[in-house]
Amino acid sequence: NAGVTQTPKFRVLKTGQSMTLLCAQDMNHEYMYWYRQDPGMGLRLIHYSVGEGTTAKGEVPDGYNVSRLKKQNFLLGLESAAPSQTSVYFCASSFDTSGKGYEQFFGPGTRLTVL
Amino acid sequence: GNSVTQMEGPVTLSEEAFLTINCTYTATGYPSLFWYVQYPGEGLQLLLKATKADDKGSNKGFEATYRKETTSFHLEKGSVQVSDSAVYFCALDPGNKLTFGGGTRVLVKP
Repeated sequence: NAGVTQTPKFRVLKTGQSMTLLCAQDMNHEYMYWYRQDPGMGLRLIHYSVGEGTTAKGEVPDGYNVSRLKKQNFLLGLESAAPSQTSVYFCASSFDTSGKGYEQFFGPGTRLTVL
Repeated sequence: GNSVTQMEGPVTLSEEAFLTINCTYTATGYPSLFWYVQYPGEGLQLLLKATKADDKGSNKGFEATYRKETTSFHLEKGSVQVSDSAVYFCALDPGNKLTFGGGTRVLVKP
């Protein structure tokens, strides 16, 4: 049982390049989330999904796209990277909405630097 | 909108000292409240939670009580260890997604 895994762990991009971050979970969770973590700002929600084939915008969605083609995978795409997207990205999943007390399980993070 | 405010760090303590991290929130309705902990180089993991007013969450010697009258969820531990050095995040969820505070870095020295 690996929990939540993220690929890659580190990446350096040049401005304008594109990339996809992969998140996978083996807990059969319905809900998946992408966050970014910046110093002093906590975690901010980028996009989330409440089930296979669904996605929704979070707090800071601009410049990112997501897809949830399979229940266990949630992909985060950057079409044209900008230095402002330099951050640590975390994926998370949960069985149900946290409002009912269900915890979110987090991956180890991807550190992205955009030059 | 929803928001979480927690004390800025870093908080530096000696081993066996008492730790308090303040957390206050703004939300409509009755959100669930959480404390997550992030150890160096790792993702976040749930430390404790409370889902209704006056509930006390506890884990690993840490405690926090859901105080609706003061909209607070302060984290406490009576005797910290070096292994408690981490970043602590307070978070709320009114029903569909988490809102985090900015995090408080705690450093415990031997």
